[in-house]
Amino acid sequence: GAGVSQSPRYKVAKRGQDVALRCDPISGHVSLFWYQQALGQGPEFLTYFQNEAQLDKSGLPSDRFFAERPEGSVSTLKIQRTQQEDSAVYLCASSRSTGPGTGGGGQAYNQPQHFGDGTRLSIL
Amino acid sequence: KQEVTQIPAALSVPEGENLVLNCSFTDSAIYNLQWFRQDPGKGLTSLLLIQSSQREQTSGRLNASLDKSSGRSTLYIAASQPGDSATYLCAVYGLGDSSYKLIFGSGTRLLVRP
Repeated sequence: GAGVSQSPRYKVAKRGQDVALRCDPISGHVSLFWYQQALGQGPEFLTYFQNEAQLDKSGLPSDRFFAERPEGSVSTLKIQRTQQEDSAVYLCASSRSTGPGTGGGGQAYNQPQHFGDGTRLSIL
Repeated sequence: KQEVTQIPAALSVPEGENLVLNCSFTDSAIYNLQWFRQDPGKGLTSLLLIQSSQREQTSGRLNASLDKSSGRSTLYIAASQPGDSATYLCAVYGLGDSSYKLIFGSGTRLLVRP
């Protein structure tokens, strides 16, 4: 079955240009997440969607970053007036649901997040 | 603010060795903890998810333990192989309103030499 698909895989832009990164989640997955991964670091949370609703955008570094998921499926992360510090790998993840549910016995659990291969963004 | 630390940052071992990767977190109030593998230029592959009520999970040659009270988790890899070479990331899920948010460590880069 298809996993999370991200495009483009690589993007090179000049400082000041706008870029758009696309994420196709796994079909039927309600939740979608964007993370930013700097070189040699772990991913950092940017934003979270449940269907088309953006429920958390607290991780977006500045108002130059904007994400949308208008029909509750494909999502686009847009960065305006790019700067060199925006250079990173942008990872998208999706999951069936979000937050704790309860399995048998009332135990809390999280649906695992499935990650795409990311878009490597380089700003010159 | 939750912080996740992974030690060592890099590790090189000969093939066949058993090894332990360490992960610590500052706030013991977590739901679950997850270990991922990341190959160069690739996304993250989930290895093991330890639920809040569990102390360990096993999958093949991998065993992960969780001690919430001390804020620690370990990933044990038995009989390492060159194909195990990758970066291993530990991540925790927060509680309450942040339960969906994964907070990652910086990873341990593992090289298994033939």
